[in-house]
This record gives sequence, structure tokens and C-alpha cells, in this order.
Amino acid sequence: AQKITQTQPGMFVQEKEAVTLDCTYDTSDPSYGLFWYKQPSSGEMIFLIYQGSYDQQNATEGRYSLNFQKARKSANLVISASQLGDSAMYFCAITNNAGNMLTFGGGTRLMVKP
Amino acid sequence: GAGVSQTPSNKVTEKGKYVELRCDPISGHTALYWYRQSLGQGPEFLIYFQGTGAADDSGLPNDRFFAVRPEGSVSTLKIQRTERGDSAVYLCASSLVPVGGFQNTGELFFGEGSRLTVL
Repeated sequence: AQKITQTQPGMFVQEKEAVTLDCTYDTSDPSYGLFWYKQPSSGEMIFLIYQGSYDQQNATEGRYSLNFQKARKSANLVISASQLGDSAMYFCAITNNAGNMLTFGGGTRLMVKP
Repeated sequence: GAGVSQTPSNKVTEKGKYVELRCDPISGHTALYWYRQSLGQGPEFLIYFQGTGAADDSGLPNDRFFAVRPEGSVSTLKIQRTERGDSAVYLCASSLVPVGGFQNTGELFFGEGSRLTVL
């Protein structure tokens, strides 16, 4: 079984500053993928970034980067230069080796202050 | 449209009634997933289709829940004898290939969900 733990139910960040959202995972699969999704109040799940377990470098997508520490089983999301539109729920998720499902964490609500 | 479409967007029903929720995935996507999201929680996996077949239905909570995808495209989630605890947002997602842990950035594309309220 796989598990994602997001220990921060809510976070505040000042506009234009960077913020790190924590994610730790547990899996027995030798190969897996880690995802971050954003869910604004409209409810849509928006894909942000992906990290494969065998990727040597940390994934980056624009203002998003993933701080992947395999030995510690952590996959923290870093958002640089926060914007008001970044206010949303953020979910970390992991695939299983068969690739047939994503397991999500409980989410972190990010609130960006002007 | 180009995205995953779910209907109805909102459904209010009475306890004990039967409900169908429809998902129209992105054209050509072979993998289709149903998730359930309760208020303040992360999405919870229900069932995964690869083509027409249910490759993994281990997340369905009980036999009141059933899903079909007869032609490998549109899927319907069916809930019999609804209970108040079934109230949630039901999310559908599709992918060109199954999401995987290898060199595969198999992104899941989500619909906007169907909000089910059981009174």
C-alpha cells in the first residue's frame, strides 16, 4: 500500500515570496511517480509537476520546483514568487508501480497575502 | 470540448434513490479513473478502466457502487440505494496512457466533478 502525508493543513505566504509545501510518502514499489496538483475553489484539479523515482534531477516547471529527497521519502513543492492566484488547495500524489492509480494526500491550503 | 466533461455538475437526491454520474473523457484517452472527494479531504480512488474493462475496482466502497465503460470512451458511475455518506464530489480523470512510475509523465486530466448531495 502507498501513503502520502501532508502535515500542513494550511499555510500563509506573503505575495512575491517563496513557499515550501511538505509531502512525505511511503511505498514498497521500486519505481513510482510523484505528482503535485492544485485545486482552486472552482474544484478543478490542475496538474503542476511530476517527478519520477529514477529521475536524477529535481523537476522544475516555471515557478514550481520539486525538492525530491528519495532517501528521506520526501517530495516537497517549492513555489517561487507567490502570486495571489496561487491561493488554493495543493495535493501531493503518488503512483503505484503498475501505474493504475494515484494515491493523494490530504492536501494543504495555501493562502497568499497581498 | 477538449477537456474531460462530467454531468451533472450538481445532483441532489433523496436517501435510497439511484444515481448515475457520467464522464466523457478526452478523445483517445484509454485510461479513465473515478475518484471521490469528501469536503476538506484529498481525492480517494474508486475505479480504473483501461479501455472497456475495469482494470482495478478495489476502491469501490461496497456493492452499491458500480461503473461501466461499454465502448471504451464514456463512463457511467452508478450508485444504488444512496446514503447520506455518499455525499461528495465525484471526480473523473483520463490519461493517454496509464499514469506510471517509469519514464512516463502520464498526466491525469481531471473533470470539474459532479457534486452529489444525498438528503
